[in-house]
Amino acid sequence: DAGVTQSPTHLIKTRGQQVTLRCSPISGHKSVSWYQQVLGQGPQFIFQYYEKEERGRGNFPDRFSARQFPNYSSELNVNALLLGDSALYLCASTRRVADTDTQYFGPGTRLTVL
Amino acid sequence: GEDVEQSLFLSVREGDSSVINCTYTDSSSTYLYWYKQEPGAGLQLLTYIFSNMDMKQDQRLTVLLNKKDKHLSLRIADTQTGDSAIYFCAERKPGGYQKVTFGTGTKLQVIP
Repeated sequence: DAGVTQSPTHLIKTRGQQVTLRCSPISGHKSVSWYQQVLGQGPQFIFQYYEKEERGRGNFPDRFSARQFPNYSSELNVNALLLGDSALYLCASTRRVADTDTQYFGPGTRLTVL
Repeated sequence: GEDVEQSLFLSVREGDSSVINCTYTDSSSTYLYWYKQEPGAGLQLLTYIFSNMDMKQDQRLTVLLNKKDKHLSLRIADTQTGDSAIYFCAERKPGGYQKVTFGTGTKLQVIP
């Protein structure tokens, strides 16, 4: 089975622009989470979606939004980009949202904001 | 503290054992994980341990958990050059969703 896939792999934007990142979970997984990993740090939780509903949100401004589609794929949107948004954005999927599941990560999208 | 803490760097010789340590924040955390990240890549789940366990062994990997001290360790036996990477520990707190808090990562360098 294919793992978690993300697109694009790399992206360069300028300050003030908007960006959309995409994620397809592992087949059969209904939950998708998004993380931001700034260079030299561990990933930080942004959102979790399950069955198209937001189930959790980290400490990120409203410029960050996401949605999940009926096929369980997901998009992360970031508006009014700042230099500090430059990071690796990771998507992870699980079968359910319950405690017993572990997350499987995609390769990430490297966003550079100039 | 509020952060999951790890030492930043570890250097070992090929064939030796590596021990990577982590202190997590919440004694009620239900799952504790170890992930591996190679340069330019995403995170690879190595192993995880339930909070009601003290130890878990999986081939060359041994995870030890001390709940009293909120201390987690990962031992890699017979370390190989392919084990060179950044290792993250992470905790999952109880609750209805998957918020996982990661440490800052330990860079493991294996010297041939």
